[in-house]
Amino acid sequence: GEDVEQSLFLSVREGDSSVINCTYTDSSSTYLYWYKQEPGAGLQLLTYIFSNMDMKQDQRLTVLLNKKDKHLSLRIADTQTGDSAIYFCAESMGNDMRFGAGTRLTVKP
Amino acid sequence: GAVVSQHPSRVICKSGTSVKIECRSLDFQATTMFWYRQFPKKSLMLMATSNEGSKATYEQGVEKDKFLINHASLTLSTLTVTSAHPEDSSFYICSARGQSNTEAFFGQGTRLTVV
Repeated sequence: GEDVEQSLFLSVREGDSSVINCTYTDSSSTYLYWYKQEPGAGLQLLTYIFSNMDMKQDQRLTVLLNKKDKHLSLRIADTQTGDSAIYFCAESMGNDMRFGAGTRLTVKP
Repeated sequence: GAVVSQHPSRVICKSGTSVKIECRSLDFQATTMFWYRQFPKKSLMLMATSNEGSKATYEQGVEKDKFLINHASLTLSTLTVTSAHPEDSSFYICSARGQSNTEAFFGQGTRLTVV
C-alpha cells in the first residue's frame, strides 16, 4: 500500500504486554522508528531499528522487523499506566519520513 | 537525546492574521528541518523540508505562499501561516536533523486555533 498503516486503538491491562503493529510501504526504507506522543506534547523517539536488523531490545521495549512482509512491531513488556499514549511508527528513506496514523494505547488498572 | 524547542505551544489568532511558529535546535546544528501538520485521527503529514540557507521543498498540495518557511540559520527555522483561516487550525510539529544524526528530533508542537 501507499500508507504506513497501524490500528488506531489498543487497550490492555496493567502488567500485561502490549504489541503494536505497523506495516510500512517501502522495502528500501533505511530506518524504522517508534515514537510516543503524550497529550499536548510533541513526539518522543522511543527506539529505532536499522533495516538490516530483525530485532532490537531496549529494556521493556522489543522491536521486531519482518522485511519480507514490511511489518514492524513494538512490544512493551509489563505495560504501566504511564505508557498510555499514542504510538507512531515511521519509516525513513533519505530525508523523507512517512508516519502511520498512530495507535492510541490505553492501559487499564 | 538532542533538544528541539518549538514556540509557542498554543496560539489563538483571528481569521486573516498571520502567525509565526519557531523551531530551534538547542544543542546541535540542524542542517535539515521538517514541518508537519497533524490532523485528528490521521497521520502526521509532511508539509515541507528545509535545508539551512536554501529554499524549502514543499510537498504536493501545500501552498508555499500560505505557509512560509525560513531556515536562515543552523539552529532556527520558522513557519509563518499567512492570512490564517479556521481550516488552518491544527497541530503543527517541527523536527530537526543534524548532519550526523540518524534520527530527527521533534519539537513539542504548536496547537493553532484560528477563530
